[in-house]
Order: sequence, then C-alpha cells, then structure tokens
Amino acid sequence: AQSVTQLGSHVSVSEGALVLLRCNYSSSVPPYLFWYVQYPNQGLQLLLKYTSAATLVKGINGFEAEFKKSETSFHLTKPSAHMSDAAEYFCAVSVKGSQGNLIFGKGTKLSVKP
Amino acid sequence: NAGVTQTPKFQVLKTGQSMTLQCAQDMNHNSMYWYRQDPGMGLRLIYYSASEGTTDKGEVPNGYNVSRLNKREFSLRLESAAPSQTSVYFCASRTGGVTNEKLFFGSGTQLSVL
Repeated sequence: AQSVTQLGSHVSVSEGALVLLRCNYSSSVPPYLFWYVQYPNQGLQLLLKYTSAATLVKGINGFEAEFKKSETSFHLTKPSAHMSDAAEYFCAVSVKGSQGNLIFGKGTKLSVKP
Repeated sequence: NAGVTQTPKFQVLKTGQSMTLQCAQDMNHNSMYWYRQDPGMGLRLIYYSASEGTTDKGEVPNGYNVSRLNKREFSLRLESAAPSQTSVYFCASRTGGVTNEKLFFGSGTQLSVL
C-alpha cells in the first residue's frame, strides 16, 4: 500500500526566506508523486509532479521538488517566499495502474510573515 | 472555461436528512472523483468513476452513494446524513494517461450536519 507523510502541519517563514516543506512516501513499486496547493476557500491546484523522468521537478510559482529514492522523500522548496505563497500544501502519491487514485498527505499550512 | 463545477457551495442538514451533491466537468475527462477534507486529515477518497457507467469505492465510502449520470456529471448522495459527515467535499476530474495525471478540483461544498 502507498502512503505519504508530511512532516509539520504548520510551517512559518519570513518573506524572502527559504521555503522547505517535507514529504516522505511509502510505496512498494515506483511511485508517481505530486504536490498540490490549496488557497483559502478554493479547491486544490497542481504545483508539480514526478513521474519517473528527471528527479528534480520544477513547478509553477518558482517551486521545485527533488525525488530521492534512497531517502523516500519528495520535499518541496522555494528559494524566496512571497506573501502570496501562504496556503496549504499537500503531497500525494499514486502508482501506475491505480487509475490515477491519489493518496494525499495530511497537509502543511504555510504562513509567510512580512 | 468552467472546469469542474460543484453545487451547492454550502449546505446545512439535520441528522437523518438526505441530499445530493452535484458535480459537472466540461473538459471531456473520463475519470471523476469525490473526496472529503477534514482538518488534520488531508483529502480522503470517497468514490471514483474511471469511466462513464462505472463506479468504485475509495477509502471512506460508508454512508455515501454515487451516480455517474453521463460523462460530464458525477453526483454524491447522502441517504441519511450523520454529524460525522460534516466536512468539505471536493469533486475532481482527471486528464487521461498514466504519466499525464492531473486532477482538476471544484471549489468545494461545505456541509454541516447538525
């Protein structure tokens, strides 16, 4: 069975500081990994995805994530936080043949201080 | 381009009442999903439909039924609402292809069961 664990339900950074949101996965087969973002009172939007091509994946709004098989991790980073990055971020996993059924982590709420 | 449209946006029910949440997508996607989101729990899959005419249970199907009325529409029904079903419900549809997986979410229905 697949699962994801997001470390830290709430992360707070200052504007301009590095953003690091942690995600570890568990999967018995090569996984597909995703990061989604949810702004207040909205549905989720795809930030980026890893589907076994390049291990460093670039997404929208300056975010990127690196797939590290040895660490079973897929952490999300952004070099410089902006106030507009304040949102909740979800890591998710699926596997080939799962018909796209995603297993979501519990989410990390990012706050950005001026 | 409407994407995924959910109705209603808000609903308050009394225990034992029934209701149907409506979802429609205009992107010609085969797969559609219903998730519920609870604080600290992330998103959990209730039911999904891989194609018109098929539906399958997800992680938390008890107390719910679904209908894939046609390719565009996928409804979620609560036959006898319970306070434990108080949640935010999201409908989603998915692009085709294993490596092109991307979920498009509606804006959600906030349901309170008293």
